[in-house]
Amino acid sequence: EPEVTQTPSHQVTQMGQEVILRCVPISNHLYFYWYRQILGQKVEFLVSFYNNEISEKSEIFDDQFSVERPDGSNFTLKIRSTKLEDSAMYFCASSGDSGTEAFFGQGTRLTVV
Amino acid sequence: AQTVTQSQPEMSVQEAETVTLSCTYDTSENNYYLFWYKQPPSRQMILVIRQEAYKQQNATENRFSVNFQKAAKSFSLKISDSQLGDTAMYFCAFIDLNTGNQFYFGTGTSLTVIP
Repeated sequence: EPEVTQTPSHQVTQMGQEVILRCVPISNHLYFYWYRQILGQKVEFLVSFYNNEISEKSEIFDDQFSVERPDGSNFTLKIRSTKLEDSAMYFCASSGDSGTEAFFGQGTRLTVV
Repeated sequence: AQTVTQSQPEMSVQEAETVTLSCTYDTSENNYYLFWYKQPPSRQMILVIRQEAYKQQNATENRFSVNFQKAAKSFSLKISDSQLGDTAMYFCAFIDLNTGNQFYFGTGTSLTVIP
């Protein structure tokens, strides 16, 4: 069964450093998302991506964040100058041409120290 | 604005019993989908069940079923014959197909199945 895969599963980084979280969506999907979940809190929308551009982004997704689809398979989230409060679980998701049902990756746990 | 509300932060149920998780949402739109996602201790988000708003029939997936009350904007999840593996955080989610492609999540209900 096709699935969304994310790497790494856990990343520890020093405050102020840049991190890139990687995702491989399901191959025939057209909509891609990043969500984050601070431990014990709700799942927060960051950004959605369609047709090689951002289609929607939240207030959280400021200039510190960027997304890219560098090739036909990967979808990356870059966080520049990380802060302690960026520590969270980051989920990538993708959905098919109907843009409905989202399939989530297993998440990347980011710890900023 | 679209909102999803889950009013039960924690619930527990005896193994083999039935439990219902509540969810309400707020939207002025008519073309939307509703979902229940399960997040076990592994933290992965797993789709449990989906309901299209235009369908009157309640969705069912094995032991999982929903009670979709469109007028009341209510979308509850019923888990029958609860199993230990059902222990997880459950999130209700909503996507409005007209205004965007963002999923809105509730705050989650932590379900514990007691042996």
